[in-house]
Amino acid sequence: QQQVKQSPQSLIVQKGGISIINCAYENTAFDYFPWYQQFPGKGPALLIAIRPDVSEKKEGRFTISFNKSAKQFSLHIMDSQPGDSATYFCAASTKEGAQKLVFGQGTRLTINP
Amino acid sequence: GAGVSQSPRYKVAKRGQDVALRCDPISGHVSLFWYQQALGQGPEFLTYFQNEAQLDKSGLPSDRFFAERPEGSVSTLKIQRTQQEDSAVYLCASSRTGYGYTFGSGTRLTVV
Repeated sequence: QQQVKQSPQSLIVQKGGISIINCAYENTAFDYFPWYQQFPGKGPALLIAIRPDVSEKKEGRFTISFNKSAKQFSLHIMDSQPGDSATYFCAASTKEGAQKLVFGQGTRLTINP
Repeated sequence: GAGVSQSPRYKVAKRGQDVALRCDPISGHVSLFWYQQALGQGPEFLTYFQNEAQLDKSGLPSDRFFAERPEGSVSTLKIQRTQQEDSAVYLCASSRTGYGYTFGSGTRLTVV
């Protein structure tokens, strides 16, 4: 059972453009939503995370937008750079199961120079 | 250490062989997690330790999988009688609080 659905599977963006990756979830008990970045041969690295009491969180070029009523959240990468080319995963966890992250299927992002 | 260290980086096992994968978490991190990542997929939770106590092992796919962390630091994931479907990257992560994991680079297991 896929509790977090991520789209698109792959994305190509021109340098300087905005990359947008979307996730939808089903479990209304989720209360922590992180995004991870993974380069080939490396483990995922935490980029940014949000809790459902806010609708947006920004850190540098990375922004999470959160829509609690629609049960959706998205990652926006502004001024995308070739170094941002990686696989991105959204994830979610509940307060009770805080230690157990449920990941989306991943989005392979390619930034063309 | 500076990061989560996993060894070996690569392991090729013959079907039916037992394997042991090691994880050295960041010093002082109480929480330790194991995830399995199949090719082209997101990581899937296997098990979680707080210090030496295994608090959640609900993700272990079968009784062939066993994890331990006897002194609350280094952890070992053991897979007995490996099968081809066990081929994946096994990721270890640690955390002070349970949120904001730091992942290791993983062990890529190939069962032939």
